[in-house]
This record gives sequence, structure tokens and C-alpha cells, in this order.
Amino acid sequence: ETGVTQSPTHLIKTRGQQVTLRCSSQSGHNTVSWYQQALGQGPQFIFQYYREEENGRGNFPPRFSGLQFPNYSSELNVNALELDDSALYLCASSFGGTLYNEQFFGPGTRLTVL
Amino acid sequence: QQQVKQSPQSLIVQKGGISIINCAYENTAFDYFPWYQQFPGKGPALLIAIRPDVSEKKEGRFTISFNKSAKQFSLHIMDSQPGDSATYFCAARGTSYDKVIFGPGTSLSVIP
Repeated sequence: ETGVTQSPTHLIKTRGQQVTLRCSSQSGHNTVSWYQQALGQGPQFIFQYYREEENGRGNFPPRFSGLQFPNYSSELNVNALELDDSALYLCASSFGGTLYNEQFFGPGTRLTVL
Repeated sequence: QQQVKQSPQSLIVQKGGISIINCAYENTAFDYFPWYQQFPGKGPALLIAIRPDVSEKKEGRFTISFNKSAKQFSLHIMDSQPGDSATYFCAARGTSYDKVIFGPGTSLSVIP
């Protein structure tokens, strides 16, 4: 059983560019959630995908978008990057459908926007 | 309404001592309260979790105390060890199954 993996590990972009981050969920999981963790803060929920459909969204603008694929892997896309988008982006997978199912987090992608 | 408050921001404890981290929430719809441990360069990992119908849960050296009427819960780490040095996040799960609302975190340092 493989854990949650994310790529790339680190990424440097300039303001106004677009970025795509990738996440492979843990085997058997059908739900992926994305979080943004600014330095020294707790993770903030961006959105969640369940069986390829967006299933809830946090307080993030539309330039944050995502996809979930039939194999339940996922992408986070951010357009028109701003300096404040610099953060650790975490994805977490779980088996949706039960209230208390555990989320397993990946190691994150560190995004720096210059 | 969606916030989870956490204190202290940082904590230094001697090896063998008790580490205590406190959290509070406002939204009574929260119904699952996990604690996460995060080491530098890693994603958060679930440490222990509690439901609001239980007042205390213990797993090894880690205990959650839950006070539903006060809307507060806390993590106690007994016999703290240097390997426990990490950032700890309390969290709450909302009415939708997998959304987790995190507190701001507590940086714990256990000194020999």
C-alpha cells in the first residue's frame, strides 16, 4: 500500500504565472482534499474532490481550481499567481462516505512566488 | 463560526514532563475532533481523535480531554520525549464529511 505522494517537492514561480500541482492518493481512497499552509500557520482548506466531482470549497478565489481523475489522483491549478500564494500545498486522501474516515496527508509541495 | 482557536503558540517542556495544548471552537455542528502532529518538511499526521459523545480518550502517552458544554478540548502528552518535538494542530471536522478546520498550531520543544 503506497501513501499519498505529491509532485513537485518544490517550485519557484513569478507573479502572474500559472502552476499545476499533482497528488496521487493512497490506494483505495476516492476522496482528495487540498490545503494551503502558510508559514507558521495551520492548513487552510481549499477544496475537496469526491469521485471526480468538487465536493466543497473553502474561502479561496476561482483562480484556484482542481481536477480529480478516474484513478482518483488530483491536480491543483493556480492561475495569476500572487506573492501571497507562497505556501506549502498539502493534499490529503481518504475513503469518502463515512463521517469519521481518516485523512492521510502527503508531504506537500512548497511553492514560492517571486 | 468556523474557527478553531489554539493555545499556547509555543511550548517548551522538559523531558519527562507533561505537555498540555488547549483548543476551543464555536460551531456546535463540529462533530469530530482530530489532533495532528507535523514534523518539519512533512505533512500533518493524525495523532489521536475524539467524538463529542466521549469526554476523554487515551492512546499511549497521548490523552484528549473534551468538554462539550464549554466547547473546549485539550491534548495532554505524558512523559514528553525529545522525539515529540513537533508542531501540533487541533482540528475540527464540519458537517461535510472530510473538511477539516485546523487551529493555528503549537510548536512543542521537549528539552533533555
